[in-house]
Amino acid sequence: DQQVKQNSPSLSVQEGRISILNCDYTNSMFDYFLWYKKYPAEGPTFLISISSIKDKNEDGRFTVFLNKSAKHLSLHIVPSQPGDSAVYFCAASPGGFKTIFGAGTRLFVKA
Amino acid sequence: EAGVAQSPRYKIIEKRQSVAFWCNPISGHATLYWYQQILGQGPKLLIQFQNNGVVDDSQLPKDRFSAERLKGVDSTLKIQPAKLEDSAVYLCASSPPQAGGNEKLFFGSGTQLSVL
Repeated sequence: DQQVKQNSPSLSVQEGRISILNCDYTNSMFDYFLWYKKYPAEGPTFLISISSIKDKNEDGRFTVFLNKSAKHLSLHIVPSQPGDSAVYFCAASPGGFKTIFGAGTRLFVKA
Repeated sequence: EAGVAQSPRYKIIEKRQSVAFWCNPISGHATLYWYQQILGQGPKLLIQFQNNGVVDDSQLPKDRFSAERLKGVDSTLKIQPAKLEDSAVYLCASSPPQAGGNEKLFFGSGTQLSVL
């Protein structure tokens, strides 16, 4: 029972262009959403989050969009840089507890 | 600020053997989590502690996995006996108290377990 789905296992983008990573969820009780970034041999690190009362949150080159009616969120990275190459996990929690992760999307940014 | 510390970094054991992992969370973080990440999948929560009490262990295979957090600080996760399907990265995370309960997790580097 995958409550958080990242349907694209990988994404390749040219440096300087936009990267768009997508995530879908099924549980209507989720009200807090996060993106984590993971480099090889390291643990995931927090990137950006959004509460269900918002539909957009921006932090520098990273923007997360939330569409509650579609149960969909996306992470935009503009402009993409080679150092952004990593695995990105979408995560969600109901009431701020028991965070559930998607399977991840591996982003390749080509120089 | 020191991060979440985990040891060992790697462990190779044979099936039916036992293994233990250790985690020291960030100072002041009351909540501690153990996640299992199988290759190609996202992290799956095994157990969540609030101080030294268990908040959620619904996905912990209790016939073989056990965890404790004595004194509400560091924690150990044990597997006995190990099975081949336990091969995974075991991630420890901690989180600070957050208004409204929204949790942002700080992860350690994980322990890569290979069961042969």
